[in-house]
Amino acid sequence: GESVGLHLPTLSVQEGDNSIINCAYSNSASDYFIWYKQESGKGPQFIIDIRSNMDKRQGQRVTVLLNKTVKHLSLQIAATQPGDSAVYFCAEYRGGAQKLVFGQGTRLTINP
Amino acid sequence: DSGVTQTPKHLITATGQRVTLRCSPRSGDLSVYWYQQSLDQGLQFLIQYYNGEERAKGNILERFSAQQFPDLHSELNLSSLELGDSALYFCASSVGVGPTDTQYFGPGTRLTVL
Repeated sequence: GESVGLHLPTLSVQEGDNSIINCAYSNSASDYFIWYKQESGKGPQFIIDIRSNMDKRQGQRVTVLLNKTVKHLSLQIAATQPGDSAVYFCAEYRGGAQKLVFGQGTRLTINP
Repeated sequence: DSGVTQTPKHLITATGQRVTLRCSPRSGDLSVYWYQQSLDQGLQFLIQYYNGEERAKGNILERFSAQQFPDLHSELNLSSLELGDSALYFCASSVGVGPTDTQYFGPGTRLTVL
């Protein structure tokens, strides 16, 4: 079906802590996933991606984990900073339809 | 700054009217995508063009149309506007058409239909 959902709409963490944002997807045929960050008043910004033949990928302070068995994706942000406050979207690429399907987003707030 | 520009930044119009949103992709990018972001529907893919040709279509209404010009800029035309068309409209661009070609988003156009 047409759903890429997020477990939690909002998440608050203390500055310096690690945060984990979760995402569930429904289409088992999807083979590529992306996390985007959207700051207030701006367009989405690419953070990290992962192909379905991988289960983990690391970037700078971010790690994406993919569990195809339960169709779950997560974004881990290490040592969060005030600049990490934003809405985070997972997106799933559906090759058949040649389009990205975005989740509803999770708002991450970093508390000082 | 993603390198993608969109104009206008804000647009306020009345129901039944027609508007045109403009997008200039990053230098060197051949693909342009249009998305609609509303509170109830989230970020929805509308349509993609590659080097002037329509490449993929999403949830785009028949009242909406788009095109990509020879200089690669794109326009999204919205006609017979309804209150529910009020949303943020984003343009994105990428080098190619593959899923792993990163899409770079513009700052968006906020459309308000009164």
